Amino acid sequence: AQSVTQLGSHVSVSEGALVLLRCNYSSSVPPYLFWYVQYPNQGLQLLLKYTTGATLVKGINGFEAEFKKSETSFHLTKPSAHMSDAAEYFCAVSVNSGNTPLVFGKGTRLSVIA
Amino acid sequence: DGGITQSPKYLFRKEGQNVTLSCEQNLNHDAMYWYRQDPGQGLRLIYYSQIVNDFQKGDIAEGYSVSREKKESFPLTVTSAQKNPTAFYLCASRADGQGNQPQHFGDGTRLSIL
Repeated sequence: AQSVTQLGSHVSVSEGALVLLRCNYSSSVPPYLFWYVQYPNQGLQLLLKYTTGATLVKGINGFEAEFKKSETSFHLTKPSAHMSDAAEYFCAVSVNSGNTPLVFGKGTRLSVIA
Repeated sequence: DGGITQSPKYLFRKEGQNVTLSCEQNLNHDAMYWYRQDPGQGLRLIYYSQIVNDFQKGDIAEGYSVSREKKESFPLTVTSAQKNPTAFYLCASRADGQGNQPQHFGDGTRLSIL
């Protein structure tokens, strides 16, 4: 069975600083990995996904993530935080087995300090 | 634009009352999902459906019921047996048989107890 661990339920950064949100997964087969963002009282919006191929994946709003199989990690980064990045971020894992639901981490709340 | 529509955005339930949350999608997706979100708990799967007239229980199905009579629609009923229904409910859908495809989410329904 797959699982996802997001280290840190709350991360706080200064505006302009590096954003690093950590995600580790567990899967017995090659996974597909996703990052979502959720703003207050809204649904989840896809930031980026890793399926196959290039391990460094670029997404929307300047975010990117790197798939590291040896470390079973898929950390999300952004070089320079903006106030509008304040939100909840979820990492999720899937395998190629049809429409079984994604498995989500518990989320990391990102605060950006002016 | 294709997407998922959840209604209503806010819903109030009286003691002993059943309430139904609507979820409609025009993405032509076969699979649909219902999640419950509580602060600090991440997303918890209630029910999912991979095809019309079929659905499976998720991790927290007790006190909830669903139907899938049409591909586009996957309503969730919160029954009086659900003793703590106050939460944010999210509906999602996904393309058929594609483990590498993301789930698409609606904007949620917030349910509260009167």
